[in-house]
Amino acid sequence: DIQMTQSPSSLSASVGDRVTITCRASQSISRFLNWYQQKPGKAPELLIYAASTLRSGVPSRFSGGGSGAVFTLTISSLQPDDFASYYCQESLTSPYTFGQGTKLEIK
Amino acid sequence: EVQLVESGGGLVQPGRSLRLSCRASGFNFRDYAMSWVRQAPGKGLEWVGFIRSQAYGGTTEYAASVKGRFTISRDDSESIAYLQMNSLKSEDTAVYYCTSEYDSGGYYYNDDWGQGTLVTVSS
Repeated sequence: DIQMTQSPSSLSASVGDRVTITCRASQSISRFLNWYQQKPGKAPELLIYAASTLRSGVPSRFSGGGSGAVFTLTISSLQPDDFASYYCQESLTSPYTFGQGTKLEIK
Repeated sequence: EVQLVESGGGLVQPGRSLRLSCRASGFNFRDYAMSWVRQAPGKGLEWVGFIRSQAYGGTTEYAASVKGRFTISRDDSESIAYLQMNSLKSEDTAVYYCTSEYDSGGYYYNDDWGQGTLVTVSS
């Protein structure tokens, strides 16, 4: 099975900051990587698929990069609505493992 | 508007069974794979398994943690996906989400999610 490791596990930042979350796969997954945002008590929401394709309706301050085994999710200028948990997920092969998550908190 | 509504969660004793349902509307259910994802209290997301559409054989895949105990099925005539959970353990306690799986040029992702249903396994 492919293992997915996110870093950091938690992050404190301020409105307007630029933040980057990293996701590493235990083997190459090409660009088969999704990013989700989850707010407390809510279902996850898709942000990005195929490593860098923004889901329709997702603000352009979100961007995804990388290929192979290292990927990033960048938020260019944090907004109050962005404080949430973020998860990567590989979509190359079953089981479609999630990373352990990154909790983004207000500083 | 796409809607996925889970039901069937609740309190169940260890070793017993429970069946979750996910009723779908707003899209052509039979054309899509359906997945189940769970989240233990205060923990991260865990992929449970999925069922392909009948066009792809309706076959299933499962996480190792549930393989042999959980079974995913679907009723395309009613637009419902099921998660049959047998031999439940305390570590199966979680919110269970159903989600539809989309394909964009071979890249799969879960775009629509239900609200989740809580399963608590405890004596």
